[in-house]
Amino acid sequence: NAGVTQTPKFQVLKTGQSMTLQCAQDMNHNSMYWYRQDPGMGLRLIYYSASEGTTDKGEVPNGYNVSRLNKREFSLRLESAAPSQTSVYFCASSEPGGLGNEQFFGPGTRLTVL
Amino acid sequence: AQKITQTQPGMFVQEKEAVTLDCTYDTSDQSYGLFWYKQPSSGEMIFLIYQGSYDEQNATEGRYSLNFQKARKSANLVISASQLGDSAMYFCAMREFNNAGNMLTFGGGTRLMVKP
Repeated sequence: NAGVTQTPKFQVLKTGQSMTLQCAQDMNHNSMYWYRQDPGMGLRLIYYSASEGTTDKGEVPNGYNVSRLNKREFSLRLESAAPSQTSVYFCASSEPGGLGNEQFFGPGTRLTVL
Repeated sequence: AQKITQTQPGMFVQEKEAVTLDCTYDTSDQSYGLFWYKQPSSGEMIFLIYQGSYDEQNATEGRYSLNFQKARKSANLVISASQLGDSAMYFCAMREFNNAGNMLTFGGGTRLMVKP
C-alpha cells in the first residue's frame, strides 16, 4: 500500500506558467483534499472532493482549479502561477462521515514561483 | 475569529521529560472532533491522536495523551518521556459536524525541540 502519492516532489515555475499537481490514493477513500502550507503556518484547504464527481471550494481557492479524475485521483491545476502561490502543497484522503476519520496525507509538493 | 489557536510558536523540552502543547478551539457545533498531527523536518504529516467531543475519557495513544477540557474549549497534547525524535512541528486540527466536506481546520502549529 503506497497510501497517498503526489507528483512532482519539487517544482520551480516562472510567473504566468501553468502546471498540474497530481495526487493518487490506493485506500479506496471517497474524500480527497488539497491543502497549502506557507512557511511557518498551518495547512489551509484549497479544494476538496467529498466523493467522486463532486468538488467544492475550501478556504483559499482563488487561482486554482481541481479535477476528480476518478475515485483514486485528484489533481490541482495552477493556470497562471503567481509568486504568492509559492508553498508546499499536500493532498489528503479520508473516508467521509465519521468525525474521527483520520485524513491521510501525501508527502507534499514544494512549489516555488519566481 | 480563529477556529484553532496554538499560542506557543516554539518550545524546548529536556529529553525524558513531559511536555504539554496548547490548543484552543472555537466552534458552535456540539459535535466535533479534534486531531493532533506531527510534522518532522522531512515534511510529512503524521496522525497522532483523536478526541471526539462526546468522548468521556481523554484519548491516549502510547506516549501521547490529549487533555480535553470541553468547557474551556481546549485540547492540549501531552507527550510523556520526550525523545529526540519528538522534535518536530505539531498541529492541532478540528473537524466540525456541520462540515459538508469533512474537512480539517488547522492551527498555526508549535515547533517542539527536544534537548539531549
